[in-house]
Amino acid sequence: DAGVTQSPTHLIKTRGQQVTLRCSPKSGHDTVSWYQQALGQGPQFIFQYYEEEERQRGNFPDRFSGHQFPNYSSELNVNALLLGDSALYLCASSLDRGYEQYFGPGTRLTVT
Amino acid sequence: GENVEQHPSTLSVQEGDSAVIKCTYSDSASNYFPWYKQELGKGPQLIIDIRSNVGEKKDQRIAVTLNKTAKHFSLHITETQPEDSAVYFCAASWGGGATNKLIFGTGTLLAVQP
Repeated sequence: DAGVTQSPTHLIKTRGQQVTLRCSPKSGHDTVSWYQQALGQGPQFIFQYYEEEERQRGNFPDRFSGHQFPNYSSELNVNALLLGDSALYLCASSLDRGYEQYFGPGTRLTVT
Repeated sequence: GENVEQHPSTLSVQEGDSAVIKCTYSDSASNYFPWYKQELGKGPQLIIDIRSNVGEKKDQRIAVTLNKTAKHFSLHITETQPEDSAVYFCAASWGGGATNKLIFGTGTLLAVQP
């Protein structure tokens, strides 16, 4: 049974550029949440997708957007990248109405 | 606002000793408290969790306790081994479905000395 997968593993972008990160949830899961983890910090909730819609959002600007596909996979898009967007981006999958969230290995984004 | 405090930030123990990590949450509506272990270069791994209708839960060498009145919960690791060395995060949420947003603590770096 495949766990949560994310791509790419690492990414280097320049300020002002746009980036798309991808996530495939654990088999059987229908809900995807995205978190940003700065170095030495705990993960911070960005948003959650269920039934192809964003149903919860954390304190992140509109430059952060997402999408969920009919097969439950998800994308995180960040526009107009800032140096402060450099972080590990984590995807977590869960079952709707379920409690447990399972994380992928993350995508390390570096903005120069 | 929602907040989870975690202590200590670093913890060094000898192999075989016990380790205890403590967290405090601010939102009394929180009802689900997972613990994650994160090794270098990896994503957080769920190791144990507890819901607000239970005071204690144990799984082999790890256990979690919850004091709802004081809004405290703790992770206990007994008979520590070098492979337990990692960063541990506590988190809190309001449960499943649309309320399932995890608020994380700042992490504890556990070093188990052989």
